Parts: sequence; C-alpha cells; structure tokens
Amino acid sequence: QSVLTQPPSASGTPGQRVTISCSGSSSNIGSNTVNWYQQLPGTAPKLLIYSNNQRPSGVPDRFSGSKSGTSASLAISGLQSEDEADYYCAAWDDSLNVLFGTGTKVTVL
Amino acid sequence: EVQLVESGGGLVQPGRSLRLSCAASGFTFDDYAMHWVRQAPGKGLEWVSGISWNSGSIGYADSVKGRFTISRDNAKNSLYLQMNSLRAEDTALYYCAKDSHLMVGATPSWFDPWGQGTLVTVSS
Repeated sequence: QSVLTQPPSASGTPGQRVTISCSGSSSNIGSNTVNWYQQLPGTAPKLLIYSNNQRPSGVPDRFSGSKSGTSASLAISGLQSEDEADYYCAAWDDSLNVLFGTGTKVTVL
Repeated sequence: EVQLVESGGGLVQPGRSLRLSCAASGFTFDDYAMHWVRQAPGKGLEWVSGISWNSGSIGYADSVKGRFTISRDNAKNSLYLQMNSLRAEDTALYYCAKDSHLMVGATPSWFDPWGQGTLVTVSS
C-alpha cells in the first residue's frame, strides 16, 4: 500500500505563513477528499481540516486547506507557538484503505 | 461529550494474541463506522482497520490482513481488535477513531474524535 508524501519538516517564525504539501495519486487524492490532522506532542491526533478545505468548529481560521488534482496543501497563516506539532494528511484510496501522509513536523523558530 | 477509551494493550511475546477494546460514549454508536489507527514509536500514523455501522463492511491494511480481526458490539457501544500472530513490527500505540459516516470508505468522511490510545509492545 502506498502512502501520501509530505515534507518531513517545515518551519517559520511567529506570524509567518507556512505551507505543507501532500502528494498522492489518481486513486486516492485524485478521486477522494483530503483531511488533515494535527498531533500536538504527546497527544492523540485531532481533526484540523476535513473535506479538503472545511474547518471544524473551534479550529482557528489561520488554518486552511486546498486540493488540486492529486495534491493537497495545508496553510498556516500567522504562525503561533502553539502550532508546533506534527501534521498529517489523509485520504481514502479506491482499494478501500485509508492512506495517511508521511507527516510534517512544524517548528516555530 | 463524545469519548473513546481504549484498553487491552500490554507486553506480549511474538506469535501470541491480544484483544483491544474501545468503549464509546456521548454519541449514538451504531450510527457511525469505526476505525483502528496505530502509531509505532517515533513514526507516523498507519490505518489498521475499519468497520461499518452494522459490521457489513470491513477493511484491513495489508500489513495486518489475515492476522487481525475487527468487530463491534453496538449493544455495548464497544469496538474491538483481535490481534493474532503478533510481530515485533506491530508494536505501536493503537488509537480508536470515530468515522463521520456510517459506511467504511464513504467520501467525504473523516475521523473525529480519536481516543488516547493503548500501547501494544511485542517483544520476547
């Protein structure tokens, strides 16, 4: 089974904009929606973005998602220290498996 | 408040079995599909298995197919994972997660919330 490819790390200073990419294929991102999960250190993952670009209630609007073709992106505008975490994209694959991205560690400098 | 509480993890020898449980509360359990996701120490997330609301549709990752069995008891608001023939590479924190849909594989769908996880260590 394949995974979705993310950069291993991303960083920025407070207030900056950080973007994380998620690359898949026609059988997963290309034909299904993308979700993003945030995992703060030592905690369980939490839903951050669903259906490509929707924010659950309580998620700050500095987090946004987008999808184009077989890739998706998560943007964090106005980076804050509490955003330091691991971020994972996820999508169903046509083989009826959920694929998670390789994960991106965001560091606030 | 929606809550998922996993239990049943522990230290087990290679080749042995273990059964994980996930107790759900705060929502109508049989209205949603449920999943198990694991995370090896210091590694990323890996989907393990999912089950539809009525157990009619079940999926497994290739890495556990034939060894693990997912099940649910809607009367007890509980999700289970029977893990047989355990290997060292099965060592991980196992999370239970609620799907947003009643069917496995529906799109759009997402996992929310997740439990805190139960640790499984396979070692001699």
